[in-house]
Amino acid sequence: GAVVSQHPSWVICKSGTSVKIECRSLDFQATTMFWYRQFPKQSLMLMATSNEGSKATYEQGVEKDKFLINHASLTLSTLTVTSAHPEDSSFYICRLREGSYNEQFFGPGTRLTVL
Amino acid sequence: RKEVEQDPGPFNVPEGATVAFNCTYSNSASQSFFWYRQDCRKEPKLLMSVYSSGNEDGRFTAQLNRASQYISLLIRDSKLSDSATYLCVVNIMGKLSFGAGTTVTVRA
Repeated sequence: GAVVSQHPSWVICKSGTSVKIECRSLDFQATTMFWYRQFPKQSLMLMATSNEGSKATYEQGVEKDKFLINHASLTLSTLTVTSAHPEDSSFYICRLREGSYNEQFFGPGTRLTVL
Repeated sequence: RKEVEQDPGPFNVPEGATVAFNCTYSNSASQSFFWYRQDCRKEPKLLMSVYSSGNEDGRFTAQLNRASQYISLLIRDSKLSDSATYLCVVNIMGKLSFGAGTTVTVRA
């Protein structure tokens, strides 16, 4: 199956700093990338959808100026949490779609803890 | 109302038991359905798709009831390794909606 990597897998930072999370497809071209976050014992919540070369589409309630998404190429998308606060502590997961409607691959996730 | 709702559990069952649980969805335009498994602090992994006629994959059986808008998952002869959170996922026009998951714990 397709391989998706996320980096870092785990990060702890101080409140007010910015954190960049990378999501890479290692063996296919991802035309669409999705970013989710998951709080403990809750469902995955879609934050935004991005297509290569175009601006991300954010879900209602997700601040686009706080969660910056860059889908620079067909193999890389980044999510930057700017001025992170403790309430941003969560599990962030990317999902990649390879053209075909039903092909979907999750990254291993990044656990962010903001102190 | 949430788009996808699940009984959070936990379902604590002994090895070898059968466990079943449901998921309901609110959007009648939902197109496809899946069960994912998520282990603690890991990403979800596809367990199986759910087809209208119902389908089986080894010890796992999934059913779909479009009229009542629910999906079920049944695990037979449960193993310790089946302990996980099972996420119900509904696809509406390419957008996936996730349930919060049903936790299953299989004990020796």
